[in-house]
Amino acid sequence: NAGVTQTPKFQVLKTGQSMTLQCAQDMNHEYMSWYRQDPGMGLRLIHYSVGAGITDQGEVPNGYNVSRSTTEDFPLRLLSAAPSQTSVYFCASALAGALYEQYFGPGTRLTVT
Amino acid sequence: GQQLNQSPQSMFIQEGEDVSMNCTSSSIFNTWLWYKQEPGEGPVLLIALYKAGELTSNGRLTAQFGITRKDSFLNISASIPSDVGIYFCAGHTSGTYKYIFGTGTRLKVLA
Repeated sequence: NAGVTQTPKFQVLKTGQSMTLQCAQDMNHEYMSWYRQDPGMGLRLIHYSVGAGITDQGEVPNGYNVSRSTTEDFPLRLLSAAPSQTSVYFCASALAGALYEQYFGPGTRLTVT
Repeated sequence: GQQLNQSPQSMFIQEGEDVSMNCTSSSIFNTWLWYKQEPGEGPVLLIALYKAGELTSNGRLTAQFGITRKDSFLNISASIPSDVGIYFCAGHTSGTYKYIFGTGTRLKVLA
């Protein structure tokens, strides 16, 4: 099992550019989520999904879109990047009946200039 | 948005010392979790707590779910260099799919 994989590992964008952060898991987990981590702020939930076709907003959803067409994949889209979106992004997954045991990916470090 | 307050923010300790950190909230939680994050990696679950007053151990780590359900504590005994990292608490309320994470305690162990 590869677990939770994220690509790319690093990315630099200019303000206004768009991009998609990829997240995939091979554990057949129903629940997937995206967090951003900023210094001194801990992890904040952006969006989450409880299954294919079902997504919902977390604490800080503005500026981000998600979709869940398959159980395995949960991409995060930035439609028009802003410097405030400079952060480290983590994807996580869990079984729906064991949400406490989230498995995190290695993260994507994004810089928006 | 809701946040959990963790203290201390950072700690520098000598190898072999015991460590204590805590997490407090203005809201009640049904589950408390403790994670460790090493540089360049995602957080890894250490301990999960499900009941007020519960005390759970995982090797040298011991965590407690506070009686008020608004706080939790993590202790590390006899620290070693590989304990270095950031420790996060997280709280969960039943009926939701959202976890609230603390701001983290950065631990450095001096050999």
